Amino acid sequence: GENVEQHPSTLSVQEGDSAVIKCTYSDSASNYFPWYKQELGKGPQLIIDIRSNVGEKKDQRIAVTLNKTAKHFSLHITETQPEDSAVYFCAARGSQGNLIFGKGTKLSVKP
Amino acid sequence: KAGVTQTPRYLIKTRGQQVTLSCSPISGHRSVSWYQQTPGQGLQFLFEYFSETQRNKGNFPGRFSGRQFSNSRSEMNVSTLELGDSALYLCASSPWGGRDTGELFFGEGSRLTVL
Repeated sequence: GENVEQHPSTLSVQEGDSAVIKCTYSDSASNYFPWYKQELGKGPQLIIDIRSNVGEKKDQRIAVTLNKTAKHFSLHITETQPEDSAVYFCAARGSQGNLIFGKGTKLSVKP
Repeated sequence: KAGVTQTPRYLIKTRGQQVTLSCSPISGHRSVSWYQQTPGQGLQFLFEYFSETQRNKGNFPGRFSGRQFSNSRSEMNVSTLELGDSALYLCASSPWGGRDTGELFFGEGSRLTVL
């Protein structure tokens, strides 16, 4: 079935360092790849997304890259800050239109 | 604009009981999706409703059901609760949903504990 694999499951970095989270997807027809951030006690919130006709997208300290041939996409956070600490989910749109999520990465940024 | 509102936020049930969770989407949003979040499985898709019709369904047993009303509010029901149904149930709304899905706006969830 349709699947999204996400790595690593936990990631700890020092404040100011960069963080990279990687995802692979199985459905070659997927054309939309969002990233969500979930803070403790809250619902996930979209932080950036990319569509299949684009290879890279940036928004301030956050960037996402997409390699459609290899079926993987990555989230890059530069100059990490303590408030970046959260669980991050990647997702891919499935053939029925629903989003299929990875299992999440718990990012800890140490001051 | 008010966000997605889910009620109740917390509830405790015992095995065999049933539960109904409610979701009020953002005003003007016609699509409501439900996800189950557990520590081991992440977010798993339950179903999506659009204009009172179920448009899409995930791989959950028939004990999980839902509906959407004419004002776009949605409810989901779980019957004959099992211990494994303990989870955070998230509702998300979007203007159109389906293959036009862009950003999903999530509520804070209803945390269900089954004893």
